[in-house]
Amino acid sequence: EAGVAQSPRYKIIEKRQSVAFWCNPISGHATLYWYQQILGQGPKLLIQFQNNGVVDDSQLPKDRFSAERLKGVDSTLKIQPAKLEDSAVYLCASSLGGWTGGSYEQYFGPGTRLTVT
Amino acid sequence: KQEVTQIPAALSVPEGENLVLNCSFTDSAIYNLQWFRQDPGKGLTSLLLIQSSQREQTSGRLNASLDKSSGRSTLYIAASQPGDSATYLCAVRDNYGQNFVFGPGTRLSVLP
Repeated sequence: EAGVAQSPRYKIIEKRQSVAFWCNPISGHATLYWYQQILGQGPKLLIQFQNNGVVDDSQLPKDRFSAERLKGVDSTLKIQPAKLEDSAVYLCASSLGGWTGGSYEQYFGPGTRLTVT
Repeated sequence: KQEVTQIPAALSVPEGENLVLNCSFTDSAIYNLQWFRQDPGKGLTSLLLIQSSQREQTSGRLNASLDKSSGRSTLYIAASQPGDSATYLCAVRDNYGQNFVFGPGTRLSVLP
């Protein structure tokens, strides 16, 4: 079974520019998560989707971050404009279950390392 | 608000030793707890998932225990190998299934 795919793997931008990350979850997984992992810290949940609806976006800085999951499959996470403190690894994960039950076990993609200069 | 801590932050052991990594959480109303491994520059690999009704899970040389009432989990690694060198993270999901909180991780080095 194919894992969670993410692209790009690396991105370097200047502050105030915009950037977008893409995630393709494991086929059939209803729930998709975006995490931000700053160097030396554990991942922090930014947003959680179940199918194409948002379950939790309480830690998403909505003034500059946006995310969507069209058709309940692929997802994109956008930052506009980027700040220096957005430098981090952005991880996407998916799980089979969600609010309606099923396994919550999460499977992670390789991440996108963002450097803002 | 759930907070997860992990001790120690870093650990270096000689090959062959048995070792224990610790994870503590402040709110015992959890749905499950998951242990992950993260290699440098890579994503997270799930090692073990313990449901709140379970006390432990085992996979090969790994054994994870859960004591909900005391807010603790341990990951036991038997007969450590250099290939076990990585950062180990624990994460807890609350009873509502929404909030998934990670600890900061323990960086393990197993020396040949």
